Amino acid sequence: DAGITQSPRHKVTETGTPVTLRCHQTENHRYMYWYRQDPGHGLRLIHYSYGVKDTDKGEVSDGYSVSRSKTEDFLLTLESATSSQTSVYFCAISDRPGTNYGYTFGSGTRLTVV
Amino acid sequence: AQSVTQLGSHVSVSEGALVLLRCNYSSSVPPYLFWYVQYPNQGLQLLLKYTSAATLVKGINGFEAEFKKSETSFHLTKPSAHMSDAAEYFCAVTSFSGGYNKLIFGAGTRLAVHP
Repeated sequence: DAGITQSPRHKVTETGTPVTLRCHQTENHRYMYWYRQDPGHGLRLIHYSYGVKDTDKGEVSDGYSVSRSKTEDFLLTLESATSSQTSVYFCAISDRPGTNYGYTFGSGTRLTVV
Repeated sequence: AQSVTQLGSHVSVSEGALVLLRCNYSSSVPPYLFWYVQYPNQGLQLLLKYTSAATLVKGINGFEAEFKKSETSFHLTKPSAHMSDAAEYFCAVTSFSGGYNKLIFGAGTRLAVHP
């Protein structure tokens, strides 16, 4: 999807374990975002980044942390996975988020916490 | 803060019938509005976006949306549904808070198309 890849695509993990999801872009976009998608809720913003080492919380950030040490990589970590974090996670990138350019999305990571 | 509401979580139409997916927004400033489509087991794809240049916006696959400020609406339409249109559709608005812009999504509408 336009130079954005997510890994892994699928993961099953046990409750209480840490999990890290990776988003990698080749577009050199400044802004990166992590969303989760759940039925009836659409996509909800977890965390976002507006530059290397610059991150902030979204509306559903509890239980998640992020890191961005390079422009191209944005990592999402579930510190201690819970069943409520079973979801599909999408990464998005943008170079002009305050305009009508929209975002480009990755293909998603389906995470199941058992 | 900006927000969007999509009316109807599921819409079912017959092939060849009109498709109408409803989206209302809330914004204190002129909004940037988008429709995204998600096919099964795929990511989100931009269908169309509102630019202030025209209130009627044409997108891919024959879809269009009309921005109506007086009704705070940005409904998505297609004159004749095709089986391949079956997907989930999301309306989104750009929201400015905390010093940065973010994209806020509606809950989505799943479109089913019957033969």
